[in-house]
Amino acid sequence: SYELTQPPSVSVSPGQTASITCSGDRLGDKFASWYQQKPGQSPVLVIYEDNKRPSGIPERFSGSSSGNTATLTISGTQAMDESDYYCQTWASSTSVVFGGGTKLTVL
Amino acid sequence: QVQLVESGGGVVQPGRSLRLSCAASEFSFSSYAMHWVRQAPGKGLDWMAFISYDGSKKYYSDSVKGRFTISRDNSKNTLYLHMNSLRTEDTAVYYCAREALVAMAAPLDYWGQGTLVTVSS
Repeated sequence: SYELTQPPSVSVSPGQTASITCSGDRLGDKFASWYQQKPGQSPVLVIYEDNKRPSGIPERFSGSSSGNTATLTISGTQAMDESDYYCQTWASSTSVVFGGGTKLTVL
Repeated sequence: QVQLVESGGGVVQPGRSLRLSCAASEFSFSSYAMHWVRQAPGKGLDWMAFISYDGSKKYYSDSVKGRFTISRDNSKNTLYLHMNSLRTEDTAVYYCAREALVAMAAPLDYWGQGTLVTVSS
């Protein structure tokens, strides 16, 4: 079965750039989405189709994808960005898969 | 504003059944595919099931195929998840989510608040 691998945790200082990776076999040939989830809340879509932002998502959130890796980048990271982040793709035309999640700590 | 409100969660014994509902409002429910995603306590997101806008296509994860059934009633703007033969490992918060209307690898653009299912004797 298709798997997406994320680092369990990433730390960043306020104002710096955070990068969260998501690896999967030939992920660059698919489209990746990213979700932000704060404790006790539902996930929120922050990036889709590798690099598109839904309306209302700050410009500091961006995405890219190449080869086997998709990357979520948060520029000028703020304390409010401290959350769990999940990547997601369609493993096939009939199956959706999520990465294991990355806890972003802003310290 | 799009609203998705899940209900039907609770405590259930192993081997029993439960039906979850997701009431949709403020958008044209019958035009959108829908998904169920669950999250075990302290764990990550786990995709469960998909249903097309008209109910003609249904897909499931291997972990629930044959035990769970996704359905919808477009006249009631409601999505359902029928869960049979529940196991302790099915304990989780269950979210319904709307699939965005984009051409490729559609993301899940709106999520409900979730309903907790606890499978325990």
